[in-house]
Amino acid sequence: AAGVIQSPRHLIKEKRETATLKCYPIPRHDTVYWYQQGPGQDPQFLISFYEKMQSDKGSIPDRFSAQQFSDYHSELNMSSLELGDSALYFCASSTSRENTEAFFGQGTRLTVV
Amino acid sequence: DAKTTQPPSMDCAEGRAANLPCNHSTISGNEYVYWYRQIHSQGPQYIIHGLKNNETNEMASLIITEDRKSSTLILPHATLRDTAVYYCIVMVWGTSYGKLTFGQGTILTVHP
Repeated sequence: AAGVIQSPRHLIKEKRETATLKCYPIPRHDTVYWYQQGPGQDPQFLISFYEKMQSDKGSIPDRFSAQQFSDYHSELNMSSLELGDSALYFCASSTSRENTEAFFGQGTRLTVV
Repeated sequence: DAKTTQPPSMDCAEGRAANLPCNHSTISGNEYVYWYRQIHSQGPQYIIHGLKNNETNEMASLIITEDRKSSTLILPHATLRDTAVYYCIVMVWGTSYGKLTFGQGTILTVHP
């Protein structure tokens, strides 16, 4: 079965650079969620989209932005990268129907040096 | 979302049942109980969820008390590959859809 695809899997950037993470949801899933997981921490919700509109926003820095496109894939754009942005970034997708589950991708490991 | 309380860690012998408890005493009537697990730095993996009734799938069983204030995830025959962090999450479907709020989970270690 098709899963959530994230790219790239690994990314190394220097401070103050920009990064773009991509997420391709499971076919027919219309909702996408982004999470950040720092070293030794639990995943933290960043932002979500439903039908290309932002549906919720968590503790996402102003330096980050995201969008969902017409084909439902999503991109997380990160600018002015800081050392503290080094983390695993997970994308999940689901349908919008109640009583369903979200499935996660394998994540992008971002390292800022 | 209601807060959950889980033991920080548990051990289980391989082949035995692993019973992971979760307390969610402030859960509201329309909040679901979801269980996910994360195996070292991999993406969280969905296990099971329920609202009021007990649920079973190919991975696990979920037992929810009648008052819904607690639940237990049961892995019937634990294997070494079940070693992971297990998260119990209560969540209501609304304008945030299936947004999950991860708290401190239970580190389950399965021993040979």
